Amino acid sequence: GAGVSQSPSNKVTEKGKDVELRCDPISGHTALYWYRQSLGQGLEFLIYFQGNSAPDKSGLPSDRFSAERTGGSVSTLTIQRTQQEDSAVYLCASSLGLAGRASYEQYFGPGTRLTVT
Amino acid sequence: AQSVTQPDIHITVSEGASLELRCNYSYGATPYLFWYVQSPGQGLQLLLKYFSGDTLVQGIKGFEAEFKRSQSSFNLRKPSVHWSDAAEYFCAVGALGTGTASKLTFGTGTRLQVTL
Repeated sequence: GAGVSQSPSNKVTEKGKDVELRCDPISGHTALYWYRQSLGQGLEFLIYFQGNSAPDKSGLPSDRFSAERTGGSVSTLTIQRTQQEDSAVYLCASSLGLAGRASYEQYFGPGTRLTVT
Repeated sequence: AQSVTQPDIHITVSEGASLELRCNYSYGATPYLFWYVQSPGQGLQLLLKYFSGDTLVQGIKGFEAEFKRSQSSFNLRKPSVHWSDAAEYFCAVGALGTGTASKLTFGTGTRLQVTL
């Protein structure tokens, strides 16, 4: 079946502009995660959604970052007033979200490369 | 808080040679450990995972990893590397988050180059 998809694949924006990044998880996956991968760094957890529960926003680096998930499926990560340090690859992942081991198996999308000029 | 260290930023091996990528973790409880591979321009693909039981786990593409609790390590190995294995490899540890889902903490990755 289809994997996790993300759009756009690349985004170049000017400093100070807002951007929206989209993630379509695997059908049936109730958990959705956003990570940020900066050059030379590992993946930094940003936020995750599980079903109808309140999202875990503990990884969001500032209040310029926000995310929502509509209808328990598609998610949008929004970065307001972008800064050059926001330049990174933003990865989305989804999992079954069931209790136990299956919830740890995350499937990743190809990412969105964001460049802030 | 959990953490993962991958001490080798970049490794070069010849095709056909054996490979070992190092991973050390810090976690207060029994860790759930993973290796992911990322090819250029691609997302991350799960290679293998350890939850419990046999400490030597087999994964896809001929990879295996061994969990050593005494050394807090989960090194990735492959007996004979193929040119197509050139990629970036990430070790990750799983920790319980709120609810039933979980967050992964990743190492900074090891870039593998394969020479012909």
